[in-house]
Amino acid sequence: DQQVKQNSPSLSVQEGRISILNCDYTNSMFDYFLWYKKYPAEGPTFLISISSIKDKNEDGRFTVFLNKSAKHLSLHIVPSQPGDSAVYFCAASLGDYTGTASKLTFGTGTRLQVTL
Amino acid sequence: NAGVMQNPRHLVRRRGQEARLRCSPMKGHSHVYWYRQLPEEGLKFMVYLQKENIIDESGMPKERFSAEFPKEGPSILRIQQVVRGDSAAYFCASSPPSRKSEAFFGQGTRLTVV
Repeated sequence: DQQVKQNSPSLSVQEGRISILNCDYTNSMFDYFLWYKKYPAEGPTFLISISSIKDKNEDGRFTVFLNKSAKHLSLHIVPSQPGDSAVYFCAASLGDYTGTASKLTFGTGTRLQVTL
Repeated sequence: NAGVMQNPRHLVRRRGQEARLRCSPMKGHSHVYWYRQLPEEGLKFMVYLQKENIIDESGMPKERFSAEFPKEGPSILRIQQVVRGDSAAYFCASSPPSRKSEAFFGQGTRLTVV
């Protein structure tokens, strides 16, 4: 049962244009969402997160949008740069009574290729 | 990312041997998570530990796998009697004891069972 889905395994975007990576989830109890970037043979690197009480969070070239009614979030990268080429994972966590970061449920990833 | 230290980076074991994977969390982090990534898949949660306590092991296989995070020293993920299906990348992450902060990942240990 894949609770977090990234339906596009790959995406190719020209340098300078906008990259839009999509993520859908099925569990309405998820209340915190994160995007991670991963290069080959390295661990995931945190990019940006959003709480379920918000619908947008922006950090430099990266913006995450959350549509709770559609159970959908997206990551926008603008402008895209060649160094952004990597695999991007969407992740979600449940409300946690301990008040701490809880386990993450990851999507299967989208491989972004930014071309010159 | 570099703050979470995992070793070894690569580990080769023959079927039936034991594999021990180590993780030292970032300074000040008391929460450790282990994830496994099979080829062409996303990361799957295995276990969540705090110092000397297993908080959530719902993702751990019922047999052969165990994890600990002692008062002193790194967290250890132990796989006994490894099989070829255990071949994967194992990632450790740590987070501070604060509300909903992101977890920081190590570079992973790539286990190959031959």
